[in-house]
Amino acid sequence: GNSVTQMEGPVTLSEEAFLTINCTYTATGYPSLFWYVQYPGEGLQLLLKATKADDKGSNKGFEATYRKETTSFHLEKGSVQVSDSAVYFCALLFSGGYNKLIFGAGTRLAVHP
Amino acid sequence: KAGVTQTPRYLIKTRGQQVTLSCSPISGHRSVSWYQQTPGQGLQFLFEYFSETQRNKGNFPGRFSGRQFSNSRSEMNVSTLELGDSALYLCASSPLGTGGAPTYEQYFGPGTRLTVT
Repeated sequence: GNSVTQMEGPVTLSEEAFLTINCTYTATGYPSLFWYVQYPGEGLQLLLKATKADDKGSNKGFEATYRKETTSFHLEKGSVQVSDSAVYFCALLFSGGYNKLIFGAGTRLAVHP
Repeated sequence: KAGVTQTPRYLIKTRGQQVTLSCSPISGHRSVSWYQQTPGQGLQFLFEYFSETQRNKGNFPGRFSGRQFSNSRSEMNVSTLELGDSALYLCASSPLGTGGAPTYEQYFGPGTRLTVT
């Protein structure tokens, strides 16, 4: 079946460090891929997206590239801030999948000053 | 524009009771999806409604049901509550694309935290 696997957290970094959160997927076709972020006590916010192979999604300094050959969509940021502390979810969705997002387990990021 | 609103934000119920949660989508959005978030199972899709019709349903027992009204507001109902139903229930709405169908972009509300004792 279709699934998303994320690296386990928590990921603990110092401010200005480089961030990578790995995400790989298993899918029978070519899904759209997303990263969502959840801050404490809040719902999910769409961080970035990519709808086809080799697309790069970017937002607020975060980037992720849709790699079909490795079925991956790793999240990166060059310099994290304390305010980036949150839980990050990788997700996939098939067109025609009636907006059914399939999420990874989430990766908690803690950034210390 | 106001975001997705969910009421109530917090709810405590007893096993065996039933509960109704409400979701008001962003103005103009006509697709509403529901998700359950628990520490053990993570985020799981419950169902999606578009134009008052359920388009897709996740793998949940029949105790979980929903509906959508003509103004796109949606409710979900859980009957005969079990301890394992304790979760954060998230609602998301999607705008229409150029073809008249919902786009893949989902905007989430803050959730309703349900505790079953």
